Amino acid sequence: NAGVTQTPKFQVLKTGQSMTLQCAQDMNHEYMSWYRQDPGMGLRLIHYSVGAGITDQGEVPNGYNVSRSTTEDFPLRLLSAAPSQTSVYFCASSYLQSGGANVLTFGAGSRLTVL
Amino acid sequence: AQSVAQPEDQVNVAEGNPLTVKCTYSVSGNPYLFWYVQYPNRGLQFLLKYITGDNLVKGSYGFEAEFNKSQTSFHLKKPSALVSDSALYFCAVSYAGNNRKLIWGLGTSLAVNP
Repeated sequence: NAGVTQTPKFQVLKTGQSMTLQCAQDMNHEYMSWYRQDPGMGLRLIHYSVGAGITDQGEVPNGYNVSRSTTEDFPLRLLSAAPSQTSVYFCASSYLQSGGANVLTFGAGSRLTVL
Repeated sequence: AQSVAQPEDQVNVAEGNPLTVKCTYSVSGNPYLFWYVQYPNRGLQFLLKYITGDNLVKGSYGFEAEFNKSQTSFHLKKPSALVSDSALYFCAVSYAGNNRKLIWGLGTSLAVNP
């Protein structure tokens, strides 16, 4: 059982370049999300999805796009990278429990540097 | 506004001593409370959660947390710290009206000294 798999683990971009961070889960989780982690800022939600074809914005969505064409995959796209997007990115997924509380399973993270 | 506070950026304890990592919250409605741990260069791992019921919740690796509604707190505890417990600990809260988004604390770095 692989859990949540993120690729790549490390990436260096130049300002203005585009790239996609991949996230895949094999647990049949309905809910998937992307966070960024910056020193002193904790975890901030970028985008999330509650099922295939459904996405919504988190607290810091600007500069990022997502899509959810399958239950398993939730890629995060940077269309024109900026130095402010230098961060560690985490994908997380969970079941959607009616009336309950989500327990997130996190990927190992993707460290992105934008020069 | 909904919020979570972890008042200590860093906690230092000696191995074998009890540890406490503090968390307070402010949400409307009934809170769902979580603790996650992040070891160096790793993703976050779930430790324990409180939804309802017994105020003392037991979780992974010998950790427990106590929900205190009057003080709006959910402190993480362990009776005897291990050096391997050294990590970054995050408290998070969602609430019954919107359990699709978590509100995260900024994290507390725990250092357990041999």
